[in-house]
Amino acid sequence: AAGVIQSPRHLIKEKRETATLKCYPIPRHDTVYWYQQGPGQDPQFLISFYEKMQSDKGSIPDRFSAQQFSDYHSELNMSSLELGDSALYFCASSLAFLGSPLHFGNGTRLTVT
Amino acid sequence: GIQVEQSPPDLILQEGANSTLRCNFSDSVNNLQWFHQNPWGQLINLFYIPSGTKQNGRLSATTVATERYSLLYISSSQTTDSGVYFCAVEPGGTSYGKLTFGQGTILTVHP
Repeated sequence: AAGVIQSPRHLIKEKRETATLKCYPIPRHDTVYWYQQGPGQDPQFLISFYEKMQSDKGSIPDRFSAQQFSDYHSELNMSSLELGDSALYFCASSLAFLGSPLHFGNGTRLTVT
Repeated sequence: GIQVEQSPPDLILQEGANSTLRCNFSDSVNNLQWFHQNPWGQLINLFYIPSGTKQNGRLSATTVATERYSLLYISSSQTTDSGVYFCAVEPGGTSYGKLTFGQGTILTVHP
């Protein structure tokens, strides 16, 4: 079965640089979510999109932005990177009904030096 | 917001042993999922179980929604079961998919 595809798997950036993470949801899933997991932490919700519109927002820094495109793939853009942005970034997708299970991608490990 | 507490925080087992992981949550939920995060960081969906009991091979899970807890059972543990087990809930009345994770149980299985 098709899964959520994230790219790249690993990314190394320097402070103040910009990074773009990509996510391709499971076919026919209309909702995409982004989560951030810091070292030794549990995943934290950042932002979600339903049918290409932002549907909810968590503790996402103003330096981060995201969007969902017409083909339902999503991109998370991070600017002015800080050392504290080093984390595992997960994308997940689901169908938009209450209680629908989330399916997570393998994550992008971002290291900021 | 909703509180999710997992216990124990750490668990060390010998291969072949059985274990029970617990997840308590403070309010009603639309969705509860158990995940296994392997040493490579992948989050693997084990169960979607807002209520009731499910089994998948050596793993099973039970959620008692009225009492706000869920249990994950691992039988005949193997070294490949090592990793972090997360419980995550979608609180009632929130938007879809905004999961709140517990702090996880770190499981180490020795050969």
